Amino acid sequence: KAGVTQTPRYLIKTRGQQVTLSCSPISGHRSVSWYQQTPGQGLQFLFEYFSETQRNKGNFPGRFSGRQFSNSRSEMNVSTLELGDSALYLCASSLGSTISYEQYFGPGTRLTVT
Amino acid sequence: AQSVTQLDSHVSVSEGTPVLLRCNYSSSYSPSLFWYVQHPNKGLQLLLKYTSAATLVKGINGFEAEFKKSETSFHLTKPSAHMSDAAEYFCVVILTSGTYKYIFGTGTRLKVLA
Repeated sequence: KAGVTQTPRYLIKTRGQQVTLSCSPISGHRSVSWYQQTPGQGLQFLFEYFSETQRNKGNFPGRFSGRQFSNSRSEMNVSTLELGDSALYLCASSLGSTISYEQYFGPGTRLTVT
Repeated sequence: AQSVTQLDSHVSVSEGTPVLLRCNYSSSYSPSLFWYVQHPNKGLQLLLKYTSAATLVKGINGFEAEFKKSETSFHLTKPSAHMSDAAEYFCVVILTSGTYKYIFGTGTRLKVLA
């Protein structure tokens, strides 16, 4: 079974631009979560989508948004990029039920904002 | 509120010696706990999980963890460290009120000396 894939793997953007990151979950997984990882703040939860609906949300500004498509693929968008948005963005998928909620992580997208 | 504390930010061991990575949790009810490992420039990989079954949990690559309710701990151990174990390790508690949310510890970087 193919794992979680994220594209692109590396990205360099300029302050003020916007960026879209993509995540394809494991086949059959309906939940996709996004995390931001930085050396200073560690792993922080951004949001979770389940069946095309945002089910959980972390404490990030509205510049961070996401969506999920009917095939469970998810995109994350960051508008008006700031230097502090430089981070590794991780996507994780799971079946999404309370019976089995193990998350499987992709390799991440390394975003650098200059 | 649920939280998790990893007591050591860095741990160094010699190859062939035991590994102990410490994790304490705070939870108002019986928690679900995971350990993940992250190798450099990679996503997170699930090592093992505790979900109220056996208190001694065996994971991949020879790792195991023991859930101790009286000590609110879930320490990760391995009898003999290998060079390939050098990575960052995250303890995770699952918040399961309604839906579920991962609460990550701050991570422990394990260094294995030859």
